[in-house]
Amino acid sequence: EAGVAQSPRYKIIEKRQSVAFWCNPISGHATLYWYQQILGQGPKLLIQFQNNGVVDDSQLPKDRFSAERLKGVDSTLKIQPAKLEDSAVYLCASSWAHNSPLHFGNGTRLTVT
Amino acid sequence: GQQVMQIPQYQHVQEGEDFTTYCNSSTTLSNIQWYKQRPGGHPVFLIQLVKSGEVKKQKRLTFQFGEAKKNSSLHITATQTTDVGTYFCAAPQGAGSYQLTFGKGTKLSVIP
Repeated sequence: EAGVAQSPRYKIIEKRQSVAFWCNPISGHATLYWYQQILGQGPKLLIQFQNNGVVDDSQLPKDRFSAERLKGVDSTLKIQPAKLEDSAVYLCASSWAHNSPLHFGNGTRLTVT
Repeated sequence: GQQVMQIPQYQHVQEGEDFTTYCNSSTTLSNIQWYKQRPGGHPVFLIQLVKSGEVKKQKRLTFQFGEAKKNSSLHITATQTTDVGTYFCAAPQGAGSYQLTFGKGTKLSVIP
């Protein structure tokens, strides 16, 4: 089966600019996640979707981050405006259902200068 | 919120030595998952443990879930250079929670 697709792989922006990431999950996976992984740390959940509805966004900095999953398939995560501390790898993952194993994409490495 | 604490943070072993990483929680976990992340890569699912006292093996890897479902361990026998990476445990945030919380990971280095 095709894996989770993410783009772009790398992005360098200046602080206060905006950026968007795209994710296409494994076909048939109802649950989609966006995680932020800062160097040397474990992934931190930003938002979780079940089909096209938000299940958990308690750790999403809503003043600057937004995400959507229209039509319950692919998803975009946006940061506007970016801060230096947003430099991290943004991982998208999908699973059949919550509590089932996560399949991660290759991630987008964001550098904010 | 609930956290899963992982120790040690780093482990350097000689090739052929054994390695163990531990994951602890202050609350009972409904299940626990283990992932491996190679340098520069993304986390890859290894195993999920659900039952109290459960033990699962994958070749040289042995996973255990504690009787009280508050701790778990991953043991690698006779490490190889291919075992290099960071091992994460992950568990639901709380009872009925959808949020999967990852530990900080144990970074394993294997000296050939």
